[in-house]
Order: sequence, then C-alpha cells, then structure tokens
Amino acid sequence: RKEVEQDPGPFNVPEGATVAFNCTYSNSASQSFFWYRQDCRKEPKLLMSVYSSGNEDGRFTAQLNRASQYISLLIRDSKLSDSATYLCVVNIRKHTPVFGKGTRLSVIA
Amino acid sequence: DVKVTQSSRYLVKRTGEKVFLECVQDMDHENMFWYRQDPGLGLRLIYFSYDVKMKEKGDIPEGYSVSREKKERFSLILESASTNQTSMYLCASSLSGGNYEQYFGPGTRLTVT
Repeated sequence: RKEVEQDPGPFNVPEGATVAFNCTYSNSASQSFFWYRQDCRKEPKLLMSVYSSGNEDGRFTAQLNRASQYISLLIRDSKLSDSATYLCVVNIRKHTPVFGKGTRLSVIA
Repeated sequence: DVKVTQSSRYLVKRTGEKVFLECVQDMDHENMFWYRQDPGLGLRLIYFSYDVKMKEKGDIPEGYSVSREKKERFSLILESASTNQTSMYLCASSLSGGNYEQYFGPGTRLTVT
C-alpha cells in the first residue's frame, strides 16, 4: 500500500455542487495533515491544515479520521475558480512530508 | 508575506552540462526541500536540508547534489544533465519540527536537450 493515496479524478462538477475528496495514508504514526491546492503550471499553495477536531474555512471543510486513516476535503457551493488539483500531505517522518499525487477538480458552468 | 524565490522560471540546457538551480527564502525557515514534479508521478523529494550544511537524501537523489552554505539559500546541482531530468523543479521551505506547512517557490521548468 502506498504511503498516501488519492483518487486522481478528474472530478467534473457543475457550479454550486458539493464535492468531497478523500486521501488515505498507511502509517498510523502520521503526525500532521494538510490540503494544498495547485493550479495548472503553478506551485502548490496551502489550502488548510487538518486538525483532529476537523476544521472549516468558508466553503471548505477538512476532517481527519485516525481510526480509518484518511483525511477528507469537502467543498460546498463549488465555484469555477475552485478548478485545480488538490494535494493531500501527510507528515510521517520528522522532516519529510509525503504528498499524494493529487485529485483534479474541474468545475463546469 | 512569506516568500520563496527560484533563480529561473525556465531553463534549457544540453545533455552533459552542469546545472545549478538556486532557491532563496526570506522566512528564516530551518527546513528546505527540493522536489521534482512530473505528470502522473506527483511531487517527488530529491533532497532536503534541516540546517545549514546539513542534507539528507530524499526518494530520488541519484544524479543530483545539493548545497546549503547559508540558512536562506538551498542549491540543487545536476552534475551532468540528462534528458530524463527534464522536469518541473520546486523548492520549498518550512519551520523545523515536522508539523509545519511548506511554502513553495514558483518552480523552474528545466528542459534538457
């Protein structure tokens, strides 16, 4: 099993839809978790951290399920500008984050 | 505002050339990283550094070396460029401790012909 796995998509959703992505990780000792957003031909940028209690930032909600070893990202009321690749990141070893390969989202008018 | 800069956005080199990619961060971060990103393969860690003059190999260090003489600067060196090193190279930095988010530079798209 790979360390961090994501469904590559693409997820094609209409504007206004709710969409959710999951990311599974294999190491139960994983310490911290993040979602990054990467636009085409741009660098990844932090979208949000994922806390044990879950966290919400506007239309975005991130959750952690340690028992099943996955994190999730929920996007409500999708906008055209949400089209991007979403990368999940898991810090397993002290210094080296592990990136998933990303899930591509395309929001269609 | 945090900033990570990379010396070039686009670079074209010939096979066998020595290539230097520079990365500078202004956030006083201890950790710095070099990745390459290829379609279908995601981000792969080449090397990282957790302190000045300290370095550790990532997942794909072959054909690369690094240098960190100052805290703010982390260089990636391709000793003898090959066509399979054509890729997008991304530098990142973070605070130490392993639980902090990374900040990325804009990337260098390297083409080796």
